[in-house]
Amino acid sequence: EAQVTQNPRYLITVTGKKLTVTCSQNMNHEYMSWYRQDPGLGLRQIYYSMNVEVTDKGDVPEGYKVSRKEKRNFPLILESPSPNQTSLYFCASSLYGGAVDTQYFGPGTRLTVL
Amino acid sequence: GDSVTQMEGPVTLSEEAFLTINCTYTATGYPSLFWYVQYPGEGLQLLLKATKADDKGSNKGFEATYRKETTSFHLEKGSVQVSDSAVYFCALSDRDGGSQGNLIFGKGTKLSVKP
Repeated sequence: EAQVTQNPRYLITVTGKKLTVTCSQNMNHEYMSWYRQDPGLGLRQIYYSMNVEVTDKGDVPEGYKVSRKEKRNFPLILESPSPNQTSLYFCASSLYGGAVDTQYFGPGTRLTVL
Repeated sequence: GDSVTQMEGPVTLSEEAFLTINCTYTATGYPSLFWYVQYPGEGLQLLLKATKADDKGSNKGFEATYRKETTSFHLEKGSVQVSDSAVYFCALSDRDGGSQGNLIFGKGTKLSVKP
């Protein structure tokens, strides 16, 4: 089944403790992206990647890192999480990242930073 | 910069009522327009899209027409069901942007349909 998977689905952590949220897609997509969803703000893009070893900042990249060593994986790294990073995170992918491409979303990771 | 504005929710309707969710956009280039739907506890999934002016996207009884003259992409359904209860997001991706695939979302409209 074609899908985008994220792990973990739920995470509660404390300020400053490094964490990684994994994202994997099995559709051989070149484009991958991370978003955060907050009440009243909709979805905002954190980082995106057009292909392996190519990453770029989205609208809200501060406090986050990403890597794209393999086509299928695009982990989101929080080196020193803070409470304002408490949010619902979504990974997405599309075939080429073109303007007409459909993006496929993972199920989401709900992160709470205490 | 590019932006999407959609009507504030929540919207509460009775089953079989007519639905309209307004969406307008601002874009420097020539965008593609999308409606995504998020059912409770799930990720977003594409509902419909339109890639050029006057195109009509449709799926599951929902429709939206790309109106360049009014920069709008309103979502409509003639008869909603309880199963349509979800959050609906209007979004655009701009061909003239540095990364064409980046989606810009509206804030979402929560729809609740009562039996």
